[in-house]
Amino acid sequence: GAGVSQTPSNKVTEKGKYVELRCDPISGHTALYWYRQSLGQGPEFLIYFQGTGAADDSGLPNDRFFAVRPEGSVSTLKIQRTERGDSAVYLCASSLTRGDGYTFGSGTRLTVV
Amino acid sequence: SQQGEEDPQALSIQEGENATMNCSYKTSINNLQWYRQNSGRGLVHLILIRSNEREKHSGRLRVTLDTSKKSSSLLITASRAADTASYFCATDGSNAGKSTFGDGTTLTVKP
Repeated sequence: GAGVSQTPSNKVTEKGKYVELRCDPISGHTALYWYRQSLGQGPEFLIYFQGTGAADDSGLPNDRFFAVRPEGSVSTLKIQRTERGDSAVYLCASSLTRGDGYTFGSGTRLTVV
Repeated sequence: SQQGEEDPQALSIQEGENATMNCSYKTSINNLQWYRQNSGRGLVHLILIRSNEREKHSGRLRVTLDTSKKSSSLLITASRAADTASYFCATDGSNAGKSTFGDGTTLTVKP
C-alpha cells in the first residue's frame, strides 16, 4: 500500500484480556518497528524486525508482549493478560532498509479498563 | 532511557518568525532524524542526516549536526500556523538498527 496501515485504530479492552495489533508496512520495506507512546512522551522502542526475524526485541517490557512477522510483511503485536499500564498508542513504522528514515502508521490507541 | 533530548520542551512564536529546536545525545550515531507529530498520532519523517554530514536542507527546514558536541538543531524558517506540532529527534546508534527518540519539543505558531 501507499503507507503503513495499522488496525484497529482504537481498541478498548478489559484488564486481563488478550489483544492483537496489526501492522501492514509499505510493500518492499524490509525493516519494521514497533514503538509505544504515552501522553507527553516520545515513542519508546519495543521491537525491530529485519525481514521475518526479530533483530532486536530488547524493548519488549516483559513476556506478556510478543510480536511476529511470519512472511516478512504484515506484523502482529500480541499482548497477553493486559494491564492498565499497557494503555498507550502503539506505533508501527517501516523503512526500506536499516538506517533509512521511518514511515509511521497512524497508530493504535489501546485503552485497558 | 531516551538517547536524544530536545530543547526547549515548548516553544511559542509568531507566524513568520524562525523556530530553532535542539537535540543532544549521548553515544555515537549512524544518523539522526527529525520527525513531526500532530495530535499525538503518527509521526512524519522530516529529514535524516548522516554522521558524516554537517548540514541538510529541505524546503523551509535546515538541520545541522555537530558530532563533536553530540548535538543537532532543526531550524524552521518563516513559520506558519500549520507548523504547530511536536518535533522529535531520533538517533540511530552505531550498532542499534533502531532509532531512539527524545520526548520532543512542542512548537506553537500563533497566527
